[in-house]
Amino acid sequence: GENVEQHPSTLSVQEGDSAVIKCTYSDSASNYFPWYKQELGKGPQLIIDIRSNVGEKKDQRIAVTLNKTAKHFSLHITETQPEDSAVYFCAPHEGAQKLVFGQGTRLTINP
Amino acid sequence: DTAVSQTPKYLVTQMGNDKSIKCEQNLGHDTMYWYKQDSKKFLKIMFSYNNKELIINETVPNRFSPKSPDKAHLNLHINSLELGDSAVYFCASRWGGSTDTQYFGPGTRLTVL
Repeated sequence: GENVEQHPSTLSVQEGDSAVIKCTYSDSASNYFPWYKQELGKGPQLIIDIRSNVGEKKDQRIAVTLNKTAKHFSLHITETQPEDSAVYFCAPHEGAQKLVFGQGTRLTINP
Repeated sequence: DTAVSQTPKYLVTQMGNDKSIKCEQNLGHDTMYWYKQDSKKFLKIMFSYNNKELIINETVPNRFSPKSPDKAHLNLHINSLELGDSAVYFCASRWGGSTDTQYFGPGTRLTVL
């Protein structure tokens, strides 16, 4: 089965700075790499994803980069804002039937 | 216009009781899931149904029994509740045909006393 590790487990950055969260996985068959954001008291919500035939994808202030050889992908958030404070999960997998989540990264944006 | 809804949002009960959590999605999806999130925020899949058929059943005690009366609903019944069942339970849904995105409900916080 897939082993997923996220680093760091907690991250605190100043508003306006950048944040990077890394996800390492074990299953070389994984071909879909999403990031979910969970705000306090809510369910996780997909914020960005990438497939194995693409190395990088950007959506406004957030981006995801993939290194399939090294089996890791990263979430990049630039110009962080208070509303970016949340827990972020990666969930790499092959096929979407079963998501195996990383342990989560709690991101705190300090004003 | 809620996409995935769960009831109740909070559930406090005594050990040994039986309880149910309901989930409904109005997205027209054909696949639904139950996840458990513990106090350390670990999210783990429990069950998945596709077109009312069970397709994923992780190593969950058989005190937990999912039921899918139709494609839009997936309920979770828990017998003989234990302290360790305290967690937040999330329902999610997905359209199996062409997308990998799962849409999560707001969660049900279960507290067993």
